[in-house]
Amino acid sequence: AQSVTQPDIHITVSEGASLELRCNYSYGATPYLFWYVQSPGQGLQLLLKYFSGDTLVQGIKGFEAEFKRSQSSFNLRKPSVHWSDAAEYFCAVGAGGTSYGKLTFGQGTILTVHP
Amino acid sequence: EPEVTQTPSHQVTQMGQEVILRCVPISNHLYFYWYRQILGQKVEFLVSFYNNEISEKSEIFDDQFSVERPDGSNFTLKIRSTKLEDSAMYFCASGILAGGGPDTQYFGPGTRLTVL
Repeated sequence: AQSVTQPDIHITVSEGASLELRCNYSYGATPYLFWYVQSPGQGLQLLLKYFSGDTLVQGIKGFEAEFKRSQSSFNLRKPSVHWSDAAEYFCAVGAGGTSYGKLTFGQGTILTVHP
Repeated sequence: EPEVTQTPSHQVTQMGQEVILRCVPISNHLYFYWYRQILGQKVEFLVSFYNNEISEKSEIFDDQFSVERPDGSNFTLKIRSTKLEDSAMYFCASGILAGGGPDTQYFGPGTRLTVL
């Protein structure tokens, strides 16, 4: 069964600092990987996704993520954080085969940004 | 930009009552999903739906739950007899899954269900 671990429950950074949110997955085949962001009172917004090809993927709002098969990781990065990036971030893995739909989420990382 | 919508945004109900949560997926999408997030916990998959039938469901999705696409635009989740532990945020999502490959799911804003 697939699973996702986000080791950091809460991260605090200063505005303008760089950011890396960790995500480790467990899945037997090629994973389809996603990062979603949830602002308070909002739904889940897709930041970026990896299906195949270039292992460094670019997303919206200046975010990027790198797929590392050897480490089973898909960490999210941003070179300079803005106060508006404060939110909860979820990593998710999608199954292949006949079960494209089911997404398995990590427990989320809450990002606090200090001015 | 098209988006998934959900109504109501907040539903309060008494234990044992039936509730219906409504979703309008993106219009050209073919696959529909429900997830839930109990406060402080992970987002959990409930069910996926394609071609007017359930394609996959989780162990959470027991006989108390049902889904329906009653017309060409709505997608509903019904809980027949709510329990306290059904209190959660329920998210609807939709995807197009063109070509049978991996798909991107687009989520609605959620319905917060409170069971008293």
